[in-house]
Amino acid sequence: GESVGLHLPTLSVQEGDNSIINCAYSNSASDYFIWYKQESGKGPQFIIDIRSNMDKRQGQRVTVLLNKTVKHLSLQIAATQPGDSAVYFCAEPQKYALNFGKGTSLLVTP
Amino acid sequence: GAVVSQHPSWVICKSGTSVKIECRSLDFQATTMFWYRQFPKQSLMLMATSNEGSKATYEQGVEKDKFLINHASLTLSTLTVTSAHPEDSSFYICSASRGRVTEAFFGQGTRLTVV
Repeated sequence: GESVGLHLPTLSVQEGDNSIINCAYSNSASDYFIWYKQESGKGPQFIIDIRSNMDKRQGQRVTVLLNKTVKHLSLQIAATQPGDSAVYFCAEPQKYALNFGKGTSLLVTP
Repeated sequence: GAVVSQHPSWVICKSGTSVKIECRSLDFQATTMFWYRQFPKQSLMLMATSNEGSKATYEQGVEKDKFLINHASLTLSTLTVTSAHPEDSSFYICSASRGRVTEAFFGQGTRLTVV
């Protein structure tokens, strides 16, 4: 069925390096995507979103890239910090609610 | 920004008892509220969607008689886990939307442990 999924379940990076978290989607009609950060024991926090009429969107230390040809989006975190350690989800609206991908656990090591 | 508050943050209950979780939108009126369940190292799974003053819409496989949802006002929705069992132990998260589903804000979650 149609779903949003992630390539890597875990990612370990050194502090100061850049992180790239990937997400694949299957519905070519999807026109909006959101990245969320979930710290341990907390609810998801909005990070950044992107519409399908864009290829790239930048925020503070984060960039989301959208490749509609291969139905793939990525979240890039620049100069990763220990506070970035969390699980990251991509999500898309599906019918009347958000559908979440599997999640990638990002671990930042000193 | 919009704030959604969940209470309690964690709860431990005995098997067979019922537990109520509250979800409040503190600074906006939520036309729709969503309830998710999240097992360890897994994603958020939508349980049900509720609109103020109407019955909740449950996802396939979610027992409506076990997970009672009441959306009594535009700022409050409650989830009651009835006759809880250990397999109901999970992290329950609500979100509230003031219009479009893409404008949903999440609560901090409730860790339920049934012993």
